[in-house]
Amino acid sequence: GESVGLHLPTLSVQEGDNSIINCAYSNSASDYFIWYKQESGKGPQFIIDIRSNMDKRQGQRVTVLLNKTVKHLSLQIAATQPGDSAVYFCAETRGATNKLIFGTGTLLAVQP
Amino acid sequence: NAGVTQTPKFRILKIGQSMTLQCTQDMNHNYMYWYRQDPGMGLKLIYYSVGAGITDKGEVPNGYNVSRSTTEDFPLRLELAAPSQTSVYFCASSYSSTSSGKNIQYFGAGTRLSVL
Repeated sequence: GESVGLHLPTLSVQEGDNSIINCAYSNSASDYFIWYKQESGKGPQFIIDIRSNMDKRQGQRVTVLLNKTVKHLSLQIAATQPGDSAVYFCAETRGATNKLIFGTGTLLAVQP
Repeated sequence: NAGVTQTPKFRILKIGQSMTLQCTQDMNHNYMYWYRQDPGMGLKLIYYSVGAGITDKGEVPNGYNVSRSTTEDFPLRLELAAPSQTSVYFCASSYSSTSSGKNIQYFGAGTRLSVL
């Protein structure tokens, strides 16, 4: 069935390194994507979004890349900090449904 | 700046009991959502609402009911609690714009529910 999934369930990086979290989606009709960060015991927090008419979007220390050819989404975090340790979810919206389809998440562990 | 507020934060129910999870938002968002999150998993949509008086089922609606009498409030009702409903419940809201195509959902802190 249609799904949004992540390649790596856990990613461990050293403080100061760059992190790359990947996400695959299966529905080519998806036109809007969001990355969320969820810290332990908290609700998901919006990080960055991208529409399907874009390939790249940058925020503060974060960049989202969208490759529609292979239906792949990635979140890059520059100079990873201990405060970046969390579970990261990608989510997609298809058309006018306004319903987000969430992936299962990737745990980012930042080692000091 | 409250955003999305959920109450209670924690609750333990016995099998067969009922309860209402409260959710309110002060951002004047038209859309509101209820999700459940099981351990180590992503979020699954239970119900959503596109505006006051309008609700619709999500992916996992069985065992739950909702109402949306005002823009601000979107309570979730469990009528006969079952162990399978042990989960963390998140409420979210968004202002969905057809012109921009954006749908950034803002989440509450969650309600941890255990059914024993």
